[in-house]
Amino acid sequence: GAVVSQHPSRVICKSGTSVKIECRSLDFQATTMFWYRQFPKQSLMLMATSNEGSKATYEQGVEKDKFLINHASLTLSTLTVTSAHPEDSSFYICSARVLRTGVFSSTDTQYFGPGTRLTVL
Amino acid sequence: KNEVEQSPQNLTAQEGEFITINCSYSVGISALHWLQQHPGGGIVSLFMLSSGKKKHGRLIATINIQEKHSSLHITASHPRDSAVYICAVPFTYKYIFGTGTRLKVLA
Repeated sequence: GAVVSQHPSRVICKSGTSVKIECRSLDFQATTMFWYRQFPKQSLMLMATSNEGSKATYEQGVEKDKFLINHASLTLSTLTVTSAHPEDSSFYICSARVLRTGVFSSTDTQYFGPGTRLTVL
Repeated sequence: KNEVEQSPQNLTAQEGEFITINCSYSVGISALHWLQQHPGGGIVSLFMLSSGKKKHGRLIATINIQEKHSSLHITASHPRDSAVYICAVPFTYKYIFGTGTRLKVLA
């Protein structure tokens, strides 16, 4: 099955620093990757859609200058949390979209990474 | 009203019990995704289904497109099944997630 990795799995940083999180599709190419944020005991909240070779599309209320997304290749997207603040502490999850179009049907699937737990002190 | 609703929100079961988690949605879709999230946070894809029924081990997922309803069943539940189960519906370019069902299976 399709595998998505994230690195690092856990990071602790000081307030004011920047943190980069990588999301890789290991055995397939993904033109679209998604970045989610999850607070404890809450559902995933979509932050942005990352398209290879173009600018990311951010959801309403997500600061694009705060959360920089780069989708440099078909297998790698990065999320950089700039000038991190304790409120940015959260669980960040990426997913890679696979859209398969057949003659009679199509499937639209997302494969999720294991997540990155960010703690800002 | 959420576009994707799950029930129950929380469920505690004894080991061996048959478990059912329900998902109802209001957005028009062609498929539905069941996900499992363990306490560590990682998300595992369980099923992607667009009609009928799928089975994998002790897990069974069914969907009724006309009624906009899907169920996830766990037979002979085990403590290692304890996790949050989430249904997700592809809609335009993204997923709409259910609120999740927190399952705890007691030994």
